[in-house]
Amino acid sequence: ILNVEQSPQSLHVQEGDSTNFTCSFPSSNFYALHWYRWETAKSPEALFVMTLNGDEKKKGRISATLNTKEGYSYLYIKGSQPEDSATYLCAFLSSSNTGKLIFGQGTTLQVKP
Amino acid sequence: DAGITQSPRYKITETGRQVTLMCHQTWSHSYMFWYRQDLGHGLRLIYYSAAADITDKGEVPDGYVVSRSKTENFPLTLESATRSQTSVYFCASSESLIGQGGHGYTFGSGTRLTVV
Repeated sequence: ILNVEQSPQSLHVQEGDSTNFTCSFPSSNFYALHWYRWETAKSPEALFVMTLNGDEKKKGRISATLNTKEGYSYLYIKGSQPEDSATYLCAFLSSSNTGKLIFGQGTTLQVKP
Repeated sequence: DAGITQSPRYKITETGRQVTLMCHQTWSHSYMFWYRQDLGHGLRLIYYSAAADITDKGEVPDGYVVSRSKTENFPLTLESATRSQTSVYFCASSESLIGQGGHGYTFGSGTRLTVV
């Protein structure tokens, strides 16, 4: 059973704060790691797909890093805004189970104005 | 319109009935997926398909049946609905395992199913 863990489970920050969350995944048979942003009552939207150890991706104020050897990825949000409030999901794709994108339970971020 | 659409958006059914949730995509993506969203479990993969006539089980396939006779459609059938299958169901599609241009999968709007 593949285990994808995200921490913290929830986070409350003030507008302007920078924050980061962690995604842990198996360090063997790595194929890809996805990050999604999921707003309440909407569908998950893809942020990044990372495939190489050391990968760094950036989209606006959001960035992500990847360490496949130790099995973790960090998602950073710089200068959080209320519109960043959402659940952030990571999902792991194993090379031995291609097709089975397994999601973590998510980190729910609430940004207070 | 291009995109991925799920129908119905909401469905109430009785225990023991068969119900089918529809998913249609207009991009001719090879891969399609069904996930269910449950409190405390996040998104769990039910079934996926790599191409027409190719399907495989995900994490929680019991009680569900899928088919994919055409690339654009991936219906999910609950053969005999149970209360534990009350959930929000999301369909997703992708041209590859990392998504088009490495941008991930595209999800439908979801179907909220209640089994009473």
